[in-house]
Amino acid sequence: QVQLMESGGGLVKPGGSLRLSCAAAGFTFSDSYMAWLRQAPGKGLEWVAYISTLSTYIDYAAFVRGRFTISRDNSRNSLYLQMNGLSDADTATYYCATVLSTRHNVFTFWGQGTLVAVSS
Amino acid sequence: IVLTQSPGTLSLSPGERATLSCRASQSVSRGYLAWYQQRPGQAPRLLIYAATNRATGIPDRFSGSGSGTDFTLTISRLEPEDFAVYYCQQYSDSLTFGGGTQVDIK
Repeated sequence: QVQLMESGGGLVKPGGSLRLSCAAAGFTFSDSYMAWLRQAPGKGLEWVAYISTLSTYIDYAAFVRGRFTISRDNSRNSLYLQMNGLSDADTATYYCATVLSTRHNVFTFWGQGTLVAVSS
Repeated sequence: IVLTQSPGTLSLSPGERATLSCRASQSVSRGYLAWYQQRPGQAPRLLIYAATNRATGIPDRFSGSGSGTDFTLTISRLEPEDFAVYYCQQYSDSLTFGGGTQVDIK
């Protein structure tokens, strides 16, 4: 079955950087658009970034543009999120997810998430 | 597009019908609206996409309806595992989520 496993979260100081990884299994990763989403403690969901199968199309939410970079390595069945310039507002559980299709930008399978805490 | 979900909390008993609302600040074209369920401590689960289409494996007690700016998720008869938070998401103009509706046991 589809498995997504995020890693790389942790405690980081404001202004710091972190790189999240998502290991995929159980489906053809190279055929799937992928995304990162996040959820602050006790809050709702936010879409963060989105990447196409060959990395030719990438999009970001306005609040992370210029600070975060999404990438993928199809040979390793892995998705990444490089996060720079972190602030308190970025404290959240970060999820990787598969996208249903190029037409339907909805999220079919989700990992269990990795917690990023930004604090001095 | 800003999505407003109501009510914030819905208190119902197992077996009852739940009706959740999602209102958009402008028209959601092509009905590009989805619904998710999130149980405590778990990742969200896709229930409905394109307003009315059930995702794979979703029981038929879940149904979606609506168009334009007004959308509804209906759970025909609540099962114990349905008590959770529900989010709507639009994908016709970028991508945004509503604030959620908590369905709890009365």
